[in-house]
This record gives sequence, C-alpha cells and structure tokens, in this order.
Amino acid sequence: DIVMTQAPLSVSVTPGESASISCRSSKSLLHSNGITYVYWYLQKPGKSPQLLIYRMSNLASGVPDRFSGSGSETDFTLKISRVEAEDVGIYYCGQLLENPPTFGGGTKLELK
Amino acid sequence: QVTLKESGPGMLQPSKTLSLTCSFSGFSLSTSGMVVSWIRQPSGKSLEWLAAIDWDGDKYYNPSLKSRLTVSKDTSNTQVFLKITSVDIADTATYYCARNRYNWGFAYWGQGTLVTVSS
Repeated sequence: DIVMTQAPLSVSVTPGESASISCRSSKSLLHSNGITYVYWYLQKPGKSPQLLIYRMSNLASGVPDRFSGSGSETDFTLKISRVEAEDVGIYYCGQLLENPPTFGGGTKLELK
Repeated sequence: QVTLKESGPGMLQPSKTLSLTCSFSGFSLSTSGMVVSWIRQPSGKSLEWLAAIDWDGDKYYNPSLKSRLTVSKDTSNTQVFLKITSVDIADTATYYCARNRYNWGFAYWGQGTLVTVSS
C-alpha cells in the first residue's frame, strides 16, 4: 500500500494568517497520463470529510479560493491563505493512484 | 442534489456479521465512471478505505480485509451494501459511504453510521 505521511500533526494559526500542511507519499503519485492523484480533505468537528482539492491542484466545487494545492511526485502541500474560523478541523491527504486508496494520518488546524 | 446515507445495526457482538447499507440519490451508479466506496474511521483516528463497487459492477477490496468483506449493489442502482464477517472490537468505527467518479476524488460523503462491536 502507498503510505501517506502528513506533517505537522497540528498547527495553530492566527485568523487572517496563512497555513501550510505537508504530505509525503511512499511512491510517486504521478501517473503516465500526467495526472497526479493526490487529494485533500477537511473534516470539520463532528462532520463527514469534504473534498477540498483533487488531482493535486484542482479546487473542488464550492471550495473558497483561499485553498490551494501544489507539489511534485511525492511531496505535496496544502496552503490556506487568510485562515478563517470555519477552516478549523482535521485535514487529510489521500491518494487514488493505486488500490487500496490510502489517507494520511491527519493534521489538526486550530485557531490561536 | 447528490446525497448518500448509511444505515447499520448500531451495535453488534464480536464474531457476528456486520451488514451496512448505503442509500443514495441524485445520481445513478450505472453512469460511466461512477464508484461508491466504503470508508471507515475509528474514533479519533484516520480514514481507512474498505471496498468499492463501480458502474460496471466490478468490485474492489482492501487486501488487508478482503477475506471478510463483500460489497454489492441492488438492481435499481440506488443502494450499495457491505458485509463484514467475524467482527471484532477493532471494527468499531464510523462507517461512511462516498462517491467518486473518474478518480476526481471522494466528492460526496454520507453522514456516517457508528458501529460499536461489544459483548
């Protein structure tokens, strides 16, 4: 299985500031078709996960453009600009290159 | 509007078989590229993908649990089922069903159903 490793475990951010979360995969997520199959999800307290970013850098429908995804073949970053109170929760990266799909351990974002 | 909703027994005893249902609307599982997956999350832990069934009826399983899992769908393509045999306390988790299409990500999730395995 592809192992997804996230850092840090938690991040505390002042509202209005930016935050970055890292994710590393145990193998390249770049397919020969040029698509990188890494995804970012946010699980708000008591809620189901919601898709933020798909295929490394594409914003999911309805997601504010304060969120952006970037990376290489094995190292990925989710950046949140101008953090707001509604961004609090646990962020997960995931991969869909190979079965089984796997997820990172999560990064908890809190407000200062 | 796409919605998914999981249902299950709530609680069951060790060694029993867990049966889960995912009822969905707003899309048809027979549409090309459509996949419905089961994903679980123990309290305070990360997500674990379990199984999936696609528009063509093909089934996919997590190798670590494959011997215990059976995924299926109804003929009307509005429900997906998951059976887990010989449950153990370690199977206690919130179980989600989620929709993916053409690997655009799990864009739609159900609310989850909590399953507790206890004697």
